[in-house]
Amino acid sequence: AQSVTQPDIHITVSEGASLELRCNYSYGATPYLFWYVQSPGQGLQLLLKYFSGDTLVQGIKGFEAEFKRSQSSFNLRKPSVHWSDAAEYFCAVEARGSTLGRLYFGRGTQLTVWP
Amino acid sequence: GAGVSQSPSNKVTEKGKDVELRCDPISGHTALYWYRQSLGQGLEFLIYFQGNSAPDKSGLPSDRFSAERTGGSVSTLTIQRTQQEDSAVYLCASSSGGSYNEQFFGPGTRLTVL
Repeated sequence: AQSVTQPDIHITVSEGASLELRCNYSYGATPYLFWYVQSPGQGLQLLLKYFSGDTLVQGIKGFEAEFKRSQSSFNLRKPSVHWSDAAEYFCAVEARGSTLGRLYFGRGTQLTVWP
Repeated sequence: GAGVSQSPSNKVTEKGKDVELRCDPISGHTALYWYRQSLGQGLEFLIYFQGNSAPDKSGLPSDRFSAERTGGSVSTLTIQRTQQEDSAVYLCASSSGGSYNEQFFGPGTRLTVL
């Protein structure tokens, strides 16, 4: 069965520091990969997604993610965190070739940013 | 409206009562999804609608849960005889359909069952 693991429940960083949020997936074949962000009281917003090709994907708000097939990982990174990045981040996968678009989500990583 | 809207934003109900949650997807989006977000559990797929096709109900946790989508647009998620474990945030998303398409999420309905 598909599974998505975000090992860090809560991460705290100082504003201006670099950030890496981890995501590992378990699936028979490389799925489509997504990162979403959820700000308090808001719905989820797509940060970036990976389909194929270049394994380093650029997203909105200065985020990027790197797909590593050998590690079944899709870690999210940002070189310099801003206070407005404080939110909950979700990694998600979709079965490649699926006609449904159903997403399987990790449990999320809550990011706190210190001024 | 430009985005997905959901109503009510908050719902408090007593155990055993029925509740209806509404989702208005983005106009023109053929695919509509319901997810449940429980504390510490991440997001759990509930049901999926695509155009006029039969919905994928494989994620519904029990027969107390049902959903319909009228006219290919508005969707209603109904929970009958609510239980305390139904307390969660219910999120609706819509997309232009198929795979690898961005799902646009509404703000959710927070359901509290007393």
